[in-house]
Amino acid sequence: KNEVEQSPQNLTAQEGEFITINCSYSVGISALHWLQQHPGGGIVSLFMLSSGKKKHGRLIATINIQEKHSSLHITASHPRDSAVYICAVRFETGGTSYGKLTFGQGTILTVHP
Amino acid sequence: NAGVTQTPKFQVLKTGQSMTLQCAQDMNHNSMYWYRQDPGMGLRLIYYSASEGTTDKGEVPNGYNVSRLNKREFSLRLESAAPSQTSVYFCASSEAVSGRLCEQFFGPGTRLTVL
Repeated sequence: KNEVEQSPQNLTAQEGEFITINCSYSVGISALHWLQQHPGGGIVSLFMLSSGKKKHGRLIATINIQEKHSSLHITASHPRDSAVYICAVRFETGGTSYGKLTFGQGTILTVHP
Repeated sequence: NAGVTQTPKFQVLKTGQSMTLQCAQDMNHNSMYWYRQDPGMGLRLIYYSASEGTTDKGEVPNGYNVSRLNKREFSLRLESAAPSQTSVYFCASSEAVSGRLCEQFFGPGTRLTVL
């Protein structure tokens, strides 16, 4: 079964701390997405990656294809980073990739001032 | 650009009632998707439309129908609502279903309660 597991489920940090959220998946993928969902519900795409590393401001996403693992890092965390972070993958099916995403359950991040 | 819009934002139905959730995007995307989000379960794909004129079932299609009205609009219909369909529904769109153009853009969601 194609699965996506995130850890931790809940994460509490103090402002300024370095944060890491992990995502593991079960079989080969063609792309991995990191999404952010703020209280109030809106979902925003942060990164889409299939190899290596991407950086945007204080956010860094890495992926290790061989280990089937990705991490999302937040440097110098701030209370406005408090949100649910969701990992989603597009599994390869029969050698052809589809746009269908399989989502992890999300990591609830709370950053205290 | 408004991006992806959904209507309504909130809806309460009685068991057995029907309703249609509307979704529109102004990014000229080819592909559109409907998801539901339930506590502890993550987002699950209900239906998707890879391109105008095509629709396909996702992970949880039972109890739903969809219509890709044109390139901009993709509606989700509940013919006979059940309490198990109480959820938050998200519409999303992407330029393509695969490759580097498959990044998805999400609407604000519709919170549906079925009594």
